[in-house]
Amino acid sequence: DTGVSQDPRHKITKRGQNVTFRCDPISEHNRLYWYRQTLGQGPEFLTYFQNEAQLEKSRLLSDRFSAERPKGSFSTLEIQRTEQGDSAMYLCASSFHRRWAYNEQFFGPGTRLTVL
Amino acid sequence: QQQVKQSPQSLIVQKGGISIINCAYENTAFDYFPWYQQFPGKGPALLIAIRPDVSEKKEGRFTISFNKSAKQFSLHIMDSQPGDSATYFCAASDTNAGKSTFGDGTTLTVKP
Repeated sequence: DTGVSQDPRHKITKRGQNVTFRCDPISEHNRLYWYRQTLGQGPEFLTYFQNEAQLEKSRLLSDRFSAERPKGSFSTLEIQRTEQGDSAMYLCASSFHRRWAYNEQFFGPGTRLTVL
Repeated sequence: QQQVKQSPQSLIVQKGGISIINCAYENTAFDYFPWYQQFPGKGPALLIAIRPDVSEKKEGRFTISFNKSAKQFSLHIMDSQPGDSATYFCAASDTNAGKSTFGDGTTLTVKP
């Protein structure tokens, strides 16, 4: 296990379809984050988990988005009824969180979504 | 409301020169300030990070300068190399919240 992996790396879909992305974090990491990055912008926070608990969701995360981390290991991000505005790079990051410590986030390569 | 503002948007530097990228933040709860480097088609990779209890941190050719009273921090790349050409993002986070807030990035081009 050399880092965070994401699958697929690229996804092209038609407007209205559902898509699901997977993230496998670094194995000992207890926190997992999802970010969205559009061209020319920095990553924007979407949601994060500590183990299997989803601790925070951004206002950016509409009802069409849902994320899970069922066993505190891998996570999935599903987008229902995709819209063209969902086209972006979806980044996953993980960290080993310890209270009152600085927790470096390691990013995966991202999944690039194109909605036609 | 953009909580982390980054400048410049793009930067061109000659090989061997110094690259300087600046960031300003608003939320005084932020207590961890990393810089990330991103190459096309890749995820961001942590370059260097600083806590607000120090004013400067140096790792090799990369230095972060931090001004807590001004709520500003900057990345200096000494002896810039063509291989440093990438997009650089500053970020800020509240340790216990965990999530990071990113600037919009600076595209650095180092000319040989």
